[in-house]
Amino acid sequence: AQSVSQHNHHVILSEAASLELGCNYSYGGTVNLFWYVQYPGQHLQLLLKYFSGDPLVKGIKGFEAEFIKSKFSFNLRKPSVQWSDTAEYFCAVNAGDYKLSFGAGTTVTVRA
Amino acid sequence: DTAVSQTPKYLVTQMGNDKSIKCEQNLGHDTMYWYKQDSKKFLKIMFSYNNKELIINETVPNRFSPKSPDKAHLNLHINSLELGDSAVYFCASSQLGGNYNEQFFGPGTRLTVL
Repeated sequence: AQSVSQHNHHVILSEAASLELGCNYSYGGTVNLFWYVQYPGQHLQLLLKYFSGDPLVKGIKGFEAEFIKSKFSFNLRKPSVQWSDTAEYFCAVNAGDYKLSFGAGTTVTVRA
Repeated sequence: DTAVSQTPKYLVTQMGNDKSIKCEQNLGHDTMYWYKQDSKKFLKIMFSYNNKELIINETVPNRFSPKSPDKAHLNLHINSLELGDSAVYFCASSQLGGNYNEQFFGPGTRLTVL
C-alpha cells in the first residue's frame, strides 16, 4: 500500500521567511501529486498539483513544488511567507486508482 | 455557486443515536468520497462511489453506511454513534479519467458525540 510522509509536524516562522515542507511517498509507479491547504476552520483547498511534464510546478498564492522522482519527493516551497499562510498543509498522492492518500499534515504558524 | 456542499455544518448528538450527513456536488463529477479527519488532523478515506457504485470501502465499522441516490449526491448515515466517531467529515468529488484524480472538497461537518 502506498504511504505518504510529511517530515515536519509543526513549523513556526516569521513573516518574510522562506518555507519548505517535505513530502515523500512510497509508491514506485506513476503517481499524481497534490498539496492541499486547510486554513483554520475551513475546508481543504488545492494549492498545486503535478501530473506530468515540468517537475517544478507553480500553484496559487506564490507556492511551488518540485517533483524529484529519484527521491520519491514532492516538497512544497514559498520564498516569503505571510501571516495569512498560517494553516495546515497536506501532501497527497494518487497512484492512478481511486484513492487519494494523505500525509499526516504540517501545521505552519507564521508570526507577524 | 458552491461546488461541493455538506449539511449540516455542525452536528452535536448523544451516544447511541443515528444521524445522517448529506453531500451534494454541482460539478458534474462522476465520483464522490467521504473522508474522516480526526482530532490530530489526519485525513483518511472512508468510502468512494463512482456513478452510484461503491468502489472504495476502507476498514470502517458497519455502523457507517453510505448511500448515493444519484451521481450528484453521497450521503453518510451513522448508526449507534460512539464517542470515537467525533471528527470532521469531509465530502469530496472528482471526475475520473486519464491518470489523475483531482478532488474537490466540501466545507466539512464537525460531528461531536457526547
